[in-house]
Amino acid sequence: SQELEQSPQSLIVQEGKNLTINCTSSKTLYGLYWYKQKYGEGLIFLMMLQKGGEEKSHEKITAKLDEKKQQSSLHITASQPSHAGIYLCGADDGATNKLIFGTGTLLAVQP
Amino acid sequence: DARVTQTPRHKVTEMGQEVTMRCQPILGHNTVFWYRQTMMQGLELLAYFRNRAPLDDSGMPKDRFSAEMPDATLATLKIQPSEPRDSAVYFCASDPGQARVSGNTIYFGEGSWLTVV
Repeated sequence: SQELEQSPQSLIVQEGKNLTINCTSSKTLYGLYWYKQKYGEGLIFLMMLQKGGEEKSHEKITAKLDEKKQQSSLHITASQPSHAGIYLCGADDGATNKLIFGTGTLLAVQP
Repeated sequence: DARVTQTPRHKVTEMGQEVTMRCQPILGHNTVFWYRQTMMQGLELLAYFRNRAPLDDSGMPKDRFSAEMPDATLATLKIQPSEPRDSAVYFCASDPGQARVSGNTIYFGEGSWLTVV
């Protein structure tokens, strides 16, 4: 079965710094989803990538999917305290539309 | 603003008691997922339904957990009897099904926080 590994597991950055979170799949990704979760709340959809080499941006967050479609990165530019939370990558297995998730990356942004 | 609604938001119960969590998916969404989130295991898929039919419940402990969709507007997850190790956040999510091929995503409820003491 497909597995997703995220790195790092946790991250503390100073406000204004850039950071990158990685998500690696054991199989080819048919769809790669990035979600953000704040403590005590549900998951908020950020972006979805499908094509090899695809890149999407929303405000200061950019997500990329590599050409082989087995690795994705999430990059935050000039981080702010509002970026703090848990970032999760999810993968669509392509056959059943079942969405599985990585272990998550806990991000703290120090003012 | 369409959203997935879950009840209860918080539940504290004693070991051995039955717990029922409910989910109202977004109207028109034909696929419903149940996930469990813990610090140790992260977000695990327990079961999911399409057009009210269970497609996969391999992630769910069969002896005490059961999931159903009595109708298109209600999904339930039941634990009987509950145990302390069931303490977790249970999320329901829904998606439009076929339309997700085009890049839409699944939408999550805010979760049911369960504590079994």
